[in-house]
Amino acid sequence: KQEVTQIPAALSVPEGENLVLNCSFTDSAIYNLQWFRQDPGKGLTSLLLIQSSQREQTSGRLNASLDKSSGRSTLYIAASQPGDSATYLCAVRFNAGNNRKLIWGLGTSLAVNP
Amino acid sequence: SAVISQKPSRDICQRGTSLTIQCQVDSQVTMMFWYRQQPGQSLTLIATANQGSEATYESGFVIDKFPISRPNLTFSTLTVSNMSPEDSSIYLCSVNIQENTEAFFGQGTRLTVV
Repeated sequence: KQEVTQIPAALSVPEGENLVLNCSFTDSAIYNLQWFRQDPGKGLTSLLLIQSSQREQTSGRLNASLDKSSGRSTLYIAASQPGDSATYLCAVRFNAGNNRKLIWGLGTSLAVNP
Repeated sequence: SAVISQKPSRDICQRGTSLTIQCQVDSQVTMMFWYRQQPGQSLTLIATANQGSEATYESGFVIDKFPISRPNLTFSTLTVSNMSPEDSSIYLCSVNIQENTEAFFGQGTRLTVV
């Protein structure tokens, strides 16, 4: 069964810290992987999309890496700010099965404290 | 990218009634999707909205409960019919400009059924 797991489920850090969010997936044959941010009760904002052929993507203070062989992706947030407080979701399109629908993790709830 | 306008942003409805949620995209897109996110859970795909044909529903979701329209390449509606408190969720519209590319989401509709 194709599954996506995110660890930790919740994280609380002081402002200014660099932090890493983890996403693992059960099948290394992926098409792409996408990281999203969700504020409470709101929709999702796309942060980074990594294609299967890529190792990492960067946008501002965010860097996402992909290691297909180990079934892992990390989202690195540099110099965290209170405005980064949100839930971060990882979603994977696998090559086979599920018709390439997005398979979702449960998210990591991040709190950055001033 | 795609900009998605979803309405209403929130509503409180009486059980037994129906609510129609609208999703408008600023460009023509091939794929439009409707998701549900129950409290404390990740996203569950309800259906794929197909332009010019009936929507394709996921296991556990039926057309009588969640009728969907897709009259053109920029617009779709999802109706939640005969609502019960168990339908209280965030409903999300999502698009891919091209198949299997980056997914974009609307702001979500927060539905409470009383």
